[in-house]
Amino acid sequence: DVKVTQSSRYLVKRTGEKVFLECVQDMDHENMFWYRQDPGLGLRLIYFSYDVKMKEKGDIPEGYSVSREKKERFSLILESASTNQTSMYLCASRRAGGTDTQYFGPGTRLTVL
Amino acid sequence: GQQVMQIPQYQHVQEGEDFTTYCNSSTTLSNIQWYKQRPGGHPVFLIQLVKSGEVKKQKRLTFQFGEAKKNSSLHITATQTTDVGTYFCAGSGSARQLTFGSGTQLTVLP
Repeated sequence: DVKVTQSSRYLVKRTGEKVFLECVQDMDHENMFWYRQDPGLGLRLIYFSYDVKMKEKGDIPEGYSVSREKKERFSLILESASTNQTSMYLCASRRAGGTDTQYFGPGTRLTVL
Repeated sequence: GQQVMQIPQYQHVQEGEDFTTYCNSSTTLSNIQWYKQRPGGHPVFLIQLVKSGEVKKQKRLTFQFGEAKKNSSLHITATQTTDVGTYFCAGSGSARQLTFGSGTQLTVLP
């Protein structure tokens, strides 16, 4: 059974803090993605990675960075958290090829005070 | 960049009524996927359509991909309370990543 896990379900941070969101998949997938989900806006792609050490900007990368040191792990970093980054963050993975389904993690609801 | 519009944003139906959500892309898609997110859950893959004019069925759910591969629809016949959730379409174009629609939140009243 496929599995994508995220380090926290709920997280509360203060403005200006550095925040790390971790995602791990056990399916040996090459591609991994970070989205944020906000009401009425659907899922917006922040960053993605097609393989280890590779990263590409999505539609809304400002204020975020990522790290992919190992194939199974994709980290999202908020260098200096701001209140407008309060959101649900979803990680996903899929096999290489571009047309396969994405498998999502349970999400991390981040609140920045 | 590629945009995928989805309507309606919300839909309330009585149990037993039908439901349809529509997606429209600004560009031609290579394929379209549909996901369902239950309240408090994460998106779960339902189906993928690849061919122009393709129609696929999963029990009471019917998925269509337009002839021009720029639009798609999901139709649920005789909704049940278990159908409650948000339905997302996601299109893949020339770039390899998916672009998600904003979702349709379905409420089924018993």
